[in-house]
Amino acid sequence: NAGVTQTPKFQVLKTGQSMTLQCAQDMNHNSMYWYRQDPGMGLRLIYYSASEGTTDKGEVPNGYNVSRLNKREFSLRLESAAPSQTSVYFCASSVHRDSTNQPQHFGDGTRLSIL
Amino acid sequence: AQKVTQAQTEISVVEKEDVTLDCVYETRDTTYYLFWYKQPPSGELVFLIRRNSFDEQNEISGRYSWNFQKSTSSFNFTITASQVVDSAVYFCALSEAGGSYIPTFGRGTSLIVHP
Repeated sequence: NAGVTQTPKFQVLKTGQSMTLQCAQDMNHNSMYWYRQDPGMGLRLIYYSASEGTTDKGEVPNGYNVSRLNKREFSLRLESAAPSQTSVYFCASSVHRDSTNQPQHFGDGTRLSIL
Repeated sequence: AQKVTQAQTEISVVEKEDVTLDCVYETRDTTYYLFWYKQPPSGELVFLIRRNSFDEQNEISGRYSWNFQKSTSSFNFTITASQVVDSAVYFCALSEAGGSYIPTFGRGTSLIVHP
């Protein structure tokens, strides 16, 4: 039972470098999400994809891009990393964004440091 | 706009004490859902409970109980006879129909249970 798989688990980048965080789910969920977690700030939504082929901005989208590659995969890209993007990134999925009977399932997180 | 407030940043208790984690929410919607998630020191986010706005019944699951009160817009979480394994960060979240059911998370409450 893999659920939601994020890679890598840890990464250190230099300012200005680019990187793509990968996320895949094997639960046949329609909706996928990217969050960042910073101390004292809870989880803030970066982007989400309600269904395959659609993506929308969340609360903190600046500096990020996403791709919903297929139903299983949703990647997050940092084009030019900045120290302010140092954070823990979580990918999540749910059956459908309107199916609130079902909670989100989260990956284990990616700990990203930008020097 | 939906909002979730967890006023308690950190709570410290001794094992076997009862502890209540507060969650106050704001919404203009009549249809909404509330969630609690647990994030243990290992970092993953674990779903605990969901409640819809039409069901104000309190719920008990073992040592965990939840008190949903629409009159005070609160969805509080009580752990009875706390244990060291309960040490974690707990997040309350709200999703509403008017917000396309995209969850908004509180900033979390860090619970430390001392032996």
